[in-house]
Amino acid sequence: NAGVTQTPKFRVLKTGQSMTLLCAQDMNHEYMYWYRQDPGMGLRLIHYSVGEGTTAKGEVPDGYNVSRLKKQNFLLGLESAAPSQTSVYFCASRRTAQETQYFGPGTRLLVL
Amino acid sequence: AQSVTQLGSHVSVSEGALVLLRCNYSSSVPPYLFWYVQYPNQGLQLLLKYTSAATLVKGINGFEAEFKKSETSFHLTKPSAHMSDAAEYFCAVKYRDDKIIFGKGTRLHILP
Repeated sequence: NAGVTQTPKFRVLKTGQSMTLLCAQDMNHEYMYWYRQDPGMGLRLIHYSVGEGTTAKGEVPDGYNVSRLKKQNFLLGLESAAPSQTSVYFCASRRTAQETQYFGPGTRLLVL
Repeated sequence: AQSVTQLGSHVSVSEGALVLLRCNYSSSVPPYLFWYVQYPNQGLQLLLKYTSAATLVKGINGFEAEFKKSETSFHLTKPSAHMSDAAEYFCAVKYRDDKIIFGKGTRLHILP
């Protein structure tokens, strides 16, 4: 049981490049979330999903897209990376009946 | 607007002293409330959660928090600080639309 895993762990992009961050969970959780963490800003919700095939916007969705084609995977895409998207990205998941989120180890992204 | 406010981005206490980390939320309906801890270069771990049962919630590592509806607060306390408690602490709130919003975090420093 790996819990919540994130791929990659670290990435450097140039401005304008695109990339996809993968979050996978093996706990059969319905809900999945993407956050970004920046110094002094805490965790800010980017997008979330309440089930396979559904997504919703969070606090800071601009510049990001997401997809939940399979229940166990939640993808976060950056179509045209900007330096302002330099951050640490965390994925989390939880069951419907339980409120506790389980977090992945994070992906550190640097956009030059 | 939905928000979570943590008073004090940095808090320093002496080893053995009382720890008090403050959290206030905006909501007209009692939400679900959480405290998470993050150690350096790691993801977030759940300390405790309030889900409309007892207003005084006990968590791991000797931490507890009290839900006060009249004050819209959920402050985290620990009677006696230990060096291993040095970390960043996040308060979070789950609202009815399934968003889970985090505060900006409080970094706890333990003085020898």
